[in-house]
Amino acid sequence: QSALTQPRSVSGSPGQSVTISCTGTSSDVGAYDCVSWYQQHPGKAPKLMIYDVTKRPSGVPDRFSGSKSGNMASLTISGLQADDEGDYYCCSYAGSYTALFGGGTKVTVL
Amino acid sequence: QLQLQESGPGLVKPSETLSLTCTVSGGSLSSSSYYWGWIRQPPGKGLEWIGSLYYTGSTYYNPSLRSRVTIPIDTSKNQFSLILSSVTAADTAVYYCARLTYTWGGLDLWGQGTLVTVSS
Repeated sequence: QSALTQPRSVSGSPGQSVTISCTGTSSDVGAYDCVSWYQQHPGKAPKLMIYDVTKRPSGVPDRFSGSKSGNMASLTISGLQADDEGDYYCCSYAGSYTALFGGGTKVTVL
Repeated sequence: QLQLQESGPGLVKPSETLSLTCTVSGGSLSSSSYYWGWIRQPPGKGLEWIGSLYYTGSTYYNPSLRSRVTIPIDTSKNQFSLILSSVTAADTAVYYCARLTYTWGGLDLWGQGTLVTVSS
């Protein structure tokens, strides 16, 4: 099993939109609608932002949205705000009760 | 409100065994609606899934760690543990316990994490 592939960094100005990709294979991302996204600020535990590909937990702003096409999932942050800066990780179920994380993407608000 | 808290030694010697415990408070570990898991993050690096368990005691491990990992559960204490044997410096990381939705669609609740350093 190899980690899911994410861009190392993305950036945008306040108010803009950014999209983070998460590329897997037909054995993980492409096979199951079990992709989740996490936001992590320095020194803090990850926070669930999206689960089951497109669903938002209670309290997560609707500026965050998830999607999937084939073996690639995406997280879009609309109306970028300063507090959105941090590291973002995708995760996918990979069958046989195993899971894979992406390498992480650093989001910078310019 | 359900909370998770990791505990255990912050320093482990190479070749020895790392043992951590996750205590669940404000709710039951025996819920049929969730799995529970361990995730780690080496300093400055990304997240790695270590393994998960169901309240029945069924366990599932990362294939790359399977030979060294055990995740036992103690429902009477509302705790589950991580036991990682033959550690090396590469096992130095912040270790998190977390709750996993039944569909494996997301880790919706996390502990604060605990740093374990492997060093002599």
